[in-house]
Amino acid sequence: DQQVKQNSPSLSVQEGRISILNCDYTNSMFDYFLWYKKYPAEGPTFLISISSIKDKNEDGRFTVFLNKSAKHLSLHIVPSQPGDSAVYFCAASGYGGSNYKLTFGKGTLLTVNP
Amino acid sequence: GAGVSQTPSNKVTEKGKYVELRCDPISGHTALYWYRQSLGQGPEFLIYFQGTGAADDSGLPNDRFFAVRPEGSVSTLKIQRTERGDSAVYLCASSLGLAGGANEQFFGPGTRLTVL
Repeated sequence: DQQVKQNSPSLSVQEGRISILNCDYTNSMFDYFLWYKKYPAEGPTFLISISSIKDKNEDGRFTVFLNKSAKHLSLHIVPSQPGDSAVYFCAASGYGGSNYKLTFGKGTLLTVNP
Repeated sequence: GAGVSQTPSNKVTEKGKYVELRCDPISGHTALYWYRQSLGQGPEFLIYFQGTGAADDSGLPNDRFFAVRPEGSVSTLKIQRTERGDSAVYLCASSLGLAGGANEQFFGPGTRLTVL
């Protein structure tokens, strides 16, 4: 049973436009959410995170929104660049003492076209 | 190097053989994790070390899988009697292992294991 779901296997956007990647979760004990980016033949690279006490976190071109009541989060990339083309994984964990185990979604392949 | 390193990058073995996969975490990181990523899936948790001890090995699929971290730094994931279903990318990650609070994990490039 998938506790973290990324329902879009792929997304294609034009350079300069906004990319929106979505993630849903089912476990109400999740308290901390992360986005990782993965290029082929490399390990996942941490991108941005958000704790459940917030509804938004911004870092440069990347913003993560959390809707805890809907158990939904999204990653916005503005403006999108060709170098952003990668697989994006949403991950979740508990907070405090249970913060070590990350549960990942299946990933969304983002392609940014020049 | 400053990041997590894993060796070998690729390992091809025959069904029934024994393999060892090595992970060198970021210096100073007390927490170390192993994940397994099968084709088309996200990484799945296998085991977590805090220092030398395995704090949670609930993700290991069966007793053919074992991991050690004898000196609290380098870790080895050991797989006995490999099966074709063990073929996957095995990812290692490390973190500061802070008690409470956020705990971003930094991943290595992975070892791609192929069991023929």
